[in-house]
Amino acid sequence: EVVLTQSPGTLSLSPGERLTLSCRTSESVSSASLAWYQQKPGQSPRLLISGASSRATGIPDRFSGSGSGTDFTLTISRLEPEDFAVYYCQHYGNSLPVTFGQGTKVEIK
Amino acid sequence: EVHLVESGGGLVKPGGSLRLSCAVSDFTFNDRWMNWLRQAPGKGLEWVGRIKSKTSGGTTDYAAPVKGRFTMSRDDSKNTVFLEMNSLKIEDTAMYYCARDYWSTFDIWGQGTMVTVSS
Repeated sequence: EVVLTQSPGTLSLSPGERLTLSCRTSESVSSASLAWYQQKPGQSPRLLISGASSRATGIPDRFSGSGSGTDFTLTISRLEPEDFAVYYCQHYGNSLPVTFGQGTKVEIK
Repeated sequence: EVHLVESGGGLVKPGGSLRLSCAVSDFTFNDRWMNWLRQAPGKGLEWVGRIKSKTSGGTTDYAAPVKGRFTMSRDDSKNTVFLEMNSLKIEDTAMYYCARDYWSTFDIWGQGTMVTVSS
C-alpha cells in the first residue's frame, strides 16, 4: 500500500497569498496516479488535479500541480476567499488500494 | 450534467446490515467503473471499493477493512450501483460517497449518505 503524507497539517494564510502544499509518497509512483481534491465543510470532495499536473474541468488556472517520484506539490498562486478548505492528495495506481493523504486544512489568517 | 445520488443510510446496531444505493444520471453508465468511498466524522477520505463495468468484467475490489463484509453490485438497466454492508462495526460510521472512476481519479461525487453504527 502506498502511504501518502501531506504537510503541513494546517496552514493559516491571508487572501492573495501563495499556497504550496506537499504530498510525499512512501514509494515512487507514476505521476499519472497522483491527484488532488478540495473539500469544503459540508460538501463532497471536488477533483482539482489529475495526473499530478492536469487541471480538472472548470478548475481556475490559479491552481497548479507538479512533482514526480515521491514528491508532489499543489500550488494556488493567489488565494481567493473560496479556496479556504481541506486539500487531499490521492494515489490510484495499478495496484490497489487507492489511498489518500490525511489532508491539509487551509484556514484564513 | 452527470449527477450521482446516494440513498439508504441510517442508524443501525453493531452487527446489523444496510444497503446503500447510488443512482447515476449518465447515459454512458454501462461503460463506467464506480467506487464507494467514506469519511468518518472529522476524519479524512477512505476508499471502500470499486466495481468495474460489465465490459471490463464487472469485477469488484475492496479495501481490507471491509473485505468479506461489504459487497458492491450494479444494475445497468437502472443506472444504479449498490453497496451491501453486513456485520457492521462502530468504526464503519461515516458519510458514504459514490464516485465515478475516471483515469485514476474520482471526477464526480455524490452528496453522500450518512451511516451511523451505534447501539
